[in-house]
Amino acid sequence: DIQMTQSPSTLSASVGDRVTITCRASQSIGNWLAWFQQKPGKAPKPLIYKASILQSGVPSGFSGSGSGTEFTLTISRLRPDDFATYYCQQYNSYPWTFGQGTKVEIK
Amino acid sequence: QVQLVQSGAEVKKPGASVKVSCKASGYTFTGDNYHWVRQAPGQGLEWLGRINPNNDGTNYAQKFQGRVTMTSDTSISTAYMELRRLTSDDTAVYYCATSPIWGGHLDSWGQGTLVTVST
Repeated sequence: DIQMTQSPSTLSASVGDRVTITCRASQSIGNWLAWFQQKPGKAPKPLIYKASILQSGVPSGFSGSGSGTEFTLTISRLRPDDFATYYCQQYNSYPWTFGQGTKVEIK
Repeated sequence: QVQLVQSGAEVKKPGASVKVSCKASGYTFTGDNYHWVRQAPGQGLEWLGRINPNNDGTNYAQKFQGRVTMTSDTSISTAYMELRRLTSDDTAVYYCATSPIWGGHLDSWGQGTLVTVST
């Protein structure tokens, strides 16, 4: 199985900060990577797919990059609505696997 | 507008089985694969498997092989996930989610179904 490792696990930041989350795959997954945002009690919300394509309706302040084994999610300027947990997930091969999550909390 | 509506919360005893449904509307049911993802309390997301409703082809995570069965009924646009021999470790919110048949990411999610396993 492909292991997905996110860092950091928790990130403390302020409104307006630029934030970067890293996701590493245990083997190459091409660009078959998605990012999700999840808030307590809610289903995950797709943000980015194919490593860098923004899901329809997602604010332009979110961006994704990377290929192969290393990927990043960047939020250019944190808004109050962005405090949540973020997950990466590979869909290169079954079984699909998720990173352990990164909680972005208010500093 | 794609919509996935899951069945309601369940409480089960250890050793029992649970079957969760996911009814799709607003698009062609057979245009997507149907995946099941779970989240234990305070934990991350875990993929259980997926079914292609066109041919009932399935892929299951090794951890759940022999204990999970995913099925679909195209006549009522509904996917199902049955998990057997439940233990307290199976207490979680179970989500259905879809990806395009031709390949692609999880682009629509159901609201989740809480399954509680307790004596």
